[in-house]
Amino acid sequence: RKEVEQDPGPFNVPEGATVAFNCTYSNSASQSFFWYRQDCRKEPKLLMSVYSSGNEDGRFTAQLNRASQYISLLIRDSKLSDSATYLCVVNKESSGSARQLTFGSGTQLTVLP
Amino acid sequence: DAGVIQSPRHEVTEMGQEVTLRCKPISGHDYLFWYRQTMMRGLELLIYFNNNVPIDDSGMPEDRFSAKMPNASFSTLKIQPSEPRDSAVYFCASSSSRGPRGGYTFGSGTRLTVV
Repeated sequence: RKEVEQDPGPFNVPEGATVAFNCTYSNSASQSFFWYRQDCRKEPKLLMSVYSSGNEDGRFTAQLNRASQYISLLIRDSKLSDSATYLCVVNKESSGSARQLTFGSGTQLTVLP
Repeated sequence: DAGVIQSPRHEVTEMGQEVTLRCKPISGHDYLFWYRQTMMRGLELLIYFNNNVPIDDSGMPEDRFSAKMPNASFSTLKIQPSEPRDSAVYFCASSSSRGPRGGYTFGSGTRLTVV
């Protein structure tokens, strides 16, 4: 079983739509969670961290359910510029100061005019 | 800061040749990571360094792959001999232990094609 699993999509949605992505992780000891965004033929970039209480950043809302080992990302009022691949990322904490991230395979989003 | 700098951006080589990928992390970052990305397997961590010391190389596919970090501002990933299945995008990323967790900065990647 993969450490981080995502629905690969693709999700094709009209401009202005609300879209949600889900992700599950297998390591219950995981401590930190993130969403990264990767544009076509570009490098991944940090979109937002995911906190236990849920958090918002503009049109983006991230939620974490530790009991179910489940992370979600909601995008409201989607824009053409939101078209990208969204990567679910988990920090596999271990002893000391290790900061090793495990990336999901990504969910591809295309926002259509 | 110029960010994480990788070179070359593209590399096409013949099977059996040696390939060397280069990375300059962000100044002051004490962690450096090498990732490989393919359509089939996504982003895979190959190896990472902390203060120039290799910490975990369990992701390195086989002995044909080696990585070094001779100083805080430079790292190399070498493949010798290269094979067609090594074709992928190789990313270098760096982060700081004093920065936010998850705050990796990736380079633009090296797109490697082995023919």
